[in-house]
Amino acid sequence: EVQLVESGGGLVKPGGSLRLSCAASGFTFSAYSMNWVRQPPGKGLEWVASISASSSDIQYADSARGRFTISRDYAKNLLYLQMNSLRADDTAVYYCARHVVGGGPDYWGQGALVTVSS
Amino acid sequence: AIQMTQSPSSLSASVGDSVTITCRASQAIRDDLGWYQQKPGKAPKLLIYATSALHRGVPSRFSGSGSGTDFTLTISGLQPEDFATYYCLQDYSYPWTFGQGTKVEIK
Repeated sequence: EVQLVESGGGLVKPGGSLRLSCAASGFTFSAYSMNWVRQPPGKGLEWVASISASSSDIQYADSARGRFTISRDYAKNLLYLQMNSLRADDTAVYYCARHVVGGGPDYWGQGALVTVSS
Repeated sequence: AIQMTQSPSSLSASVGDSVTITCRASQAIRDDLGWYQQKPGKAPKLLIYATSALHRGVPSRFSGSGSGTDFTLTISGLQPEDFATYYCLQDYSYPWTFGQGTKVEIK
């Protein structure tokens, strides 16, 4: 069974940093691209970043580029999102999702809430 | 960035009704379009990928169609568990973009 479990969310002050983790199990982690998608409270979904299966191709939304870094640890089957210079409008539930080529994100974690507030 | 315009933003329907939700892309995206269902407090779930392919385990009352710029999700015979918010997503090119969502409510 495919499982994705996010951790690392919490309350952080504007300008601060946070690292989200996503533990993957039930599939061959190294064979799939992975993504982060976020959802501000009461609003719609926004794609944040993607990393290819080999980590050779990384893409960011304009809102994340230069502040966020997506990475993965193949030995630990972990996906990361390092978030720096956080702003109030980064407040959201952050989901990690597996990506099937030609099929988009197919399995999602339960989400981690990040709140940026003083 | 490709804009996805989803309509309607909400609709009311009864159990057993058929409903259609549409997404229009600002440029052609081949068939790189998926549909997701989200219930309050839960993660989105994939229903349809590549415009019309049913994700495993998804009931056959869900169907997708379209090509180029215009796409539809149809639910034939709404069930109580189908009342939720639905999103389209284009993964044709980065940045991936979602539609604004359609909330399907009980009439």
